[in-house]
Amino acid sequence: AQSVTQLGSHVSVSEGALVLLRCNYSSSVPPYLFWYVQYPNQGLQLLLKYTTGATLVKGINGFEAEFKKSETSFHLTKPSAHMSDAAEYFCAVSEVTGGFKTIFGAGTRLFVKA
Amino acid sequence: GAGVSQSPRYKVAKRGQDVALRCDPISGHVSLFWYQQALGQGPEFLTYFQNEAQLDKSGLPSDRFFAERPEGSVSTLKIQRTQQEDSAVYLCASSTRTSGGIDTQYFGPGTRLTVL
Repeated sequence: AQSVTQLGSHVSVSEGALVLLRCNYSSSVPPYLFWYVQYPNQGLQLLLKYTTGATLVKGINGFEAEFKKSETSFHLTKPSAHMSDAAEYFCAVSEVTGGFKTIFGAGTRLFVKA
Repeated sequence: GAGVSQSPRYKVAKRGQDVALRCDPISGHVSLFWYQQALGQGPEFLTYFQNEAQLDKSGLPSDRFFAERPEGSVSTLKIQRTQQEDSAVYLCASSTRTSGGIDTQYFGPGTRLTVL
């Protein structure tokens, strides 16, 4: 069965500092992996996704994530945090072989300090 | 362009009442998903439609939950005899293809249901 674990329900960084949000997944088959961002009172928005091919994926707003099969990880990074990055971030997994479910992690709230 | 819309945005129900939540997907999107998001948690899958066909309803928590998409566009999630544990944000998402959960999903703002 698929599952997603996001380490740290809250992460606080200073403006301009590195952002690192951790995600580990469990899947019996090659997964599709996603990061979504949720701003207050808004729907989830896709940041980036891994399907196949290059394991380093670049997304919107300067975010990127690297798929590491050996570590079953898909951590999200951004070199320099901006105040506007403060939001809730969700890692998610779907299986390539089908099924129609996407499994989401519990989320990590990112705080950015001035 | 118009995104996914949901109505109402907020709903307060007394325990035991029936509620109906509406989702208008992006025009032309084949796939439609419903999720339940409890406070402080990630979205949990409820059900999936491909056009009008409900292909996966394994996430519906009980037979009090029912979803339909009769014409392959607008969808309604109905909850009968609401309970306090049904209080959550209900999210709808749509996508262009028939690939289910492996396609990019576009989410609506959600309906916040509070059961008193």
